[in-house]
Amino acid sequence: GAVVSQHPSWVICKSGTSVKIECRSLDFQATTMFWYRQFPKQSLMLMATSNEGSKATYEQGVEKDKFLINHASLTLSTLTVTSAHPEDSSFYICSAREGKRGGTGELFFGEGSRLTVL
Amino acid sequence: GQQLNQSPQSMFIQEGEDVSMNCTSSSIFNTWLWYKQDPGEGPVLLIALYKAGELTSNGRLTAQFGITRKDSFLNISASIPSDVGIYFCAGQHSGYALNFGKGTSLLVTP
Repeated sequence: GAVVSQHPSWVICKSGTSVKIECRSLDFQATTMFWYRQFPKQSLMLMATSNEGSKATYEQGVEKDKFLINHASLTLSTLTVTSAHPEDSSFYICSAREGKRGGTGELFFGEGSRLTVL
Repeated sequence: GQQLNQSPQSMFIQEGEDVSMNCTSSSIFNTWLWYKQDPGEGPVLLIALYKAGELTSNGRLTAQFGITRKDSFLNISASIPSDVGIYFCAGQHSGYALNFGKGTSLLVTP
């Protein structure tokens, strides 16, 4: 099956620094990628929808200037947490859809990236 | 996004027992999906349902897409220790992101 890979798997950073998380579709082209955040013992909450070559669409309450999303190619989307603070510590998960934009292709999830901000 | 109502929140059962969990929503979805998530990993798709009334099996797992399109259930028969994990339901409107339930934490004792 299709594989979505995230990097890094875990990262620890100091408060105030920025962290970049990559999401790659390894064997398919993903016109749409989604970024989720999951706090401990909670469900996955959608942060933003990223379409290749255009600006990301953010969910209500998610600061677009803090969580920068770039989807420059059909196989790579990046999430940058700028000026990270301890409350940004979370498990960030991406998912990618194979096929055309707006299509109903199966969604594949990355392994997740655990961010800890000290 | 809308969050779904998933129950039970947790289950603690003995190996060999059957398990049932369900999800409900106030709105209609075109697709219902069930995922399992192990600690520190992303969710893995178990079963996808695309038609109202559809009943689909995957090994010991069986899931159904409710007739009203507002609910779904997942059954696990003859549970084994490796079934331990968190199970999430997710509803999807065509072409959009998934809306997840809050998860059901399953513990299985040998």
